Amino acid sequence: GQQVMQIPQYQHVQEGEDFTTYCNSSTTLSNIQWYKQRPGGHPVFLIQLVKSGEVKKQKRLTFQFGEAKKNSSLHITATQTTDVGTYFCAGLGQAGTALIFGKGTTLSVSS
Amino acid sequence: DVKVTQSSRYLVKRTGEKVFLECVQDMDHENMFWYRQDPGLGLRLIYFSYDVKMKEKGDIPEGYSVSREKKERFSLILESASTNQTSMYLCASSLSAPGALHFGNGTRLTVT
Repeated sequence: GQQVMQIPQYQHVQEGEDFTTYCNSSTTLSNIQWYKQRPGGHPVFLIQLVKSGEVKKQKRLTFQFGEAKKNSSLHITATQTTDVGTYFCAGLGQAGTALIFGKGTTLSVSS
Repeated sequence: DVKVTQSSRYLVKRTGEKVFLECVQDMDHENMFWYRQDPGLGLRLIYFSYDVKMKEKGDIPEGYSVSREKKERFSLILESASTNQTSMYLCASSLSAPGALHFGNGTRLTVT
């Protein structure tokens, strides 16, 4: 079945450093979504990408969808302590009916 | 803002008990989902529903069933709770499929 792999599992950075998490699918995706879960909280929707090669920005966050629609990335520029949490990608396969989540990347930031 | 409410934040049940986890959303969303979240495993889809009285199995439906009698309510049922069902259960809803998921605060279930 469809699988969505996410790396790295954990990442620790110093405040001000950049951070990137990668998401790879075994099959072509019709769309991909990104969520953030703060410690003790629930996942919160960040963005959805649909088009091949699409790039979207939200302040310091940059989201990309690969040309082949099999991979995606989330890049955070100059991390802040408020960026701490787990970032999940979730993809929908071409024939899929529900989102499949990656296992997430947990980001910790020290000041 | 969409509000997804899960009836319990914490729940402790005994092995073999029948357990009901309730979820209500207030935004007239068609689609509702149940996920479980375990450390290192991320979110795994148990069941989902795109319409009242309609249900579809997700990736890990064994040991679970669901009920959707009304559009706003989606219940997860553990027919006979087992210790390996100890987990965080997250309910979500979305306006469209696939659309942004709005999650509830979760129910942390412990089966002893």
